[in-house]
Amino acid sequence: KAGVTQTPRYLIKTRGQQVTLSCSPISGHRSVSWYQQTPGQGLQFLFEYFSETQRNKGNFPGRFSGRQFSNSRSEMNVSTLELGDSALYLCASSRLAGATYEQFFGPGTRLTVL
Amino acid sequence: TQLLEQSPQFLSIQEGENLTVYCNSSSVFSSLQWYRQEPGEGPVLLVTVVTGGEVKKLKRLTFQFGDARKDSSLHITAAQPGDTGLYLCAADSWGKLQFGAGTQVVVTP
Repeated sequence: KAGVTQTPRYLIKTRGQQVTLSCSPISGHRSVSWYQQTPGQGLQFLFEYFSETQRNKGNFPGRFSGRQFSNSRSEMNVSTLELGDSALYLCASSRLAGATYEQFFGPGTRLTVL
Repeated sequence: TQLLEQSPQFLSIQEGENLTVYCNSSSVFSSLQWYRQEPGEGPVLLVTVVTGGEVKKLKRLTFQFGDARKDSSLHITAAQPGDTGLYLCAADSWGKLQFGAGTQVVVTP
């Protein structure tokens, strides 16, 4: 079974630009979550989508947005990039295991903002 | 303030030694998860603990969930270089998975 895939793996942008990252979940998983990972703040939750609807949202500005398509693939968009947006962006798809959700992460997209 | 406090932040040991990593909180959780992340990769789920006092073993890794479901520990016996990585604990908080800052473990041959 294929794992979570993220494209692109690496991206370099300049301040003020916008960027779109893509995530394909494991087949059959309907929930996709996005995280930002930085050395200073660690792993922080951005948002979660389930069946094309945003189900949860973290404490990030409105410049960060996402969507999910009918095939469960998800995209994340960051507009008006700032230097502080440089980070590893991770996508995870989830499945229910008993009473808890198990998350399966992709390899991430390394975004560098210059 | 981190919901989950992990200690130590960094651990460097020799192959064959034992180590313990801690994850603490003032909140009670219905479950807690442990992940390991290697450079250039996303975190990989190791275990989910759900019952207070629960102990789970995964080969040389032993996970324990505190009786009050506020803390957890990960113990590695006879560590190997392949155990090197960032160990993260995580818990669900109002539908969002919150992570600790992680413990970077380095095992040298």
